[in-house]
Amino acid sequence: EAGVVQSPRYKIIEKKQPVAFWCNPISGHNTLYWYLQNLGQGPELLIRYENEEAVDDSQLPKDRFSAERLKGVDSTLKIQPAELGDSAVYLCASSLQGESTEAFFGQGTRLTVV
Amino acid sequence: DAKTTQPPSMDCAEGRAANLPCNHSTISGNEYVYWYRQIHSQGPQYIIHGLKNNETNEMASLIITEDRKSSTLILPHATLRETAVYYCIATQKTSYDKVIFGPGTSLSVIP
Repeated sequence: EAGVVQSPRYKIIEKKQPVAFWCNPISGHNTLYWYLQNLGQGPELLIRYENEEAVDDSQLPKDRFSAERLKGVDSTLKIQPAELGDSAVYLCASSLQGESTEAFFGQGTRLTVV
Repeated sequence: DAKTTQPPSMDCAEGRAANLPCNHSTISGNEYVYWYRQIHSQGPQYIIHGLKNNETNEMASLIITEDRKSSTLILPHATLRETAVYYCIATQKTSYDKVIFGPGTSLSVIP
């Protein structure tokens, strides 16, 4: 069974440029999460989707960050414009709602803003 | 969700048991204790979870105190590949959005 797939694996952009990350969750998982992870810290939730609905986006900086999950499957996270402080690893995870016992994480996208 | 506290780092000799403690003194009755680990440059990986009883799977054992205020993750025979950051979290089963991942414990398995 394929795990959570994220792309790209690495991305380097100049500040003020836009960037997008893509996530394909495990088939059948209706819950999808985007996390941000700074060096030496644990993951911090940005947004959670139940199917195609964003049910918790309180931690998402909406002035520059946006996300979508069309058809309740794949998801994209966008930053426009990127700032130096956005350099981090962006993780996507998915789980089954209801009797979910674990979240499955992708390998993440390491963003470097220069 | 309850906050958890863990030591920032630990060392363990290869082949020996690694015992990773976690304090969750404010855990509520319907919150589970979950453990994840994150190997360098990878996403976190689920290890084990429990509510009240001790649990064991092919990866580790989880010992939860009777008052549920603390727990210990046991890697019975630590290998070099288990060098990673280990996160202990307390959450209701279906509310990962409320999970707070702390900095975890950085475990170094030493040859």
